[in-house]
Amino acid sequence: GAVVSQHPSRVICKSGTSVKIECRSLDFQATTMFWYRQFPKQSLMLMATSNEGSKATYEQGVEKDKFLINHASLTLSTLTVTSAHPEDSSFYICSAPVQGTDTQYFGPGTRLTVL
Amino acid sequence: DAKTTQPTSMDCAEGRAANLPCNHSTISGNEYVYWYRQIHSQGPQYIIHGLKNNETNEMASLIITEDRKSSTLILPHATLRDTAVYYCIVNQGGKLIFGQGTELSVKP
Repeated sequence: GAVVSQHPSRVICKSGTSVKIECRSLDFQATTMFWYRQFPKQSLMLMATSNEGSKATYEQGVEKDKFLINHASLTLSTLTVTSAHPEDSSFYICSAPVQGTDTQYFGPGTRLTVL
Repeated sequence: DAKTTQPTSMDCAEGRAANLPCNHSTISGNEYVYWYRQIHSQGPQYIIHGLKNNETNEMASLIITEDRKSSTLILPHATLRDTAVYYCIVNQGGKLIFGQGTELSVKP
């Protein structure tokens, strides 16, 4: 299957700082990517859809100014958690469908811990 | 909202077939059913998907009822490495809305 990578795999930051997470499609182009958040022992929650060359669309209840998404190229989307707080600590996962299909491939996830 | 319901957990003996059921009674005619699994602290792994015909690949088989209101994922010979949370998802306009999934434990 198609490969999606994320960087970093783990990050620890202080409260009030911003953290950037990268999501790359390694062997295919993706005009759309998705960002999810997963708390311990819970399912994945869709946060937003990242669109190459245009604004991201956010799910209800997700603060767009808090979670900045940029999709600058056909293989890269970034999620920036701004002014991070301990409650933002979570597992962040991205996915991308191979162009022309609806089958999404997921990255390995990024574990964010805010102290 | 997720359009699927699955049992919370299931056990399966190693080497036996694992049959994971999923109800999706409100599925629309052009919506596909996707199955993913997630091993602890990893990203979900794609398994299989289908619309109305039964599907088979190297990982699993997917049986979809004629009315499309339910489906079953079959792992023909479960191994310990198949222990994971299995998600049945209806693709809603390109979005995957995850439910709680089934935690499958494969036991020796």
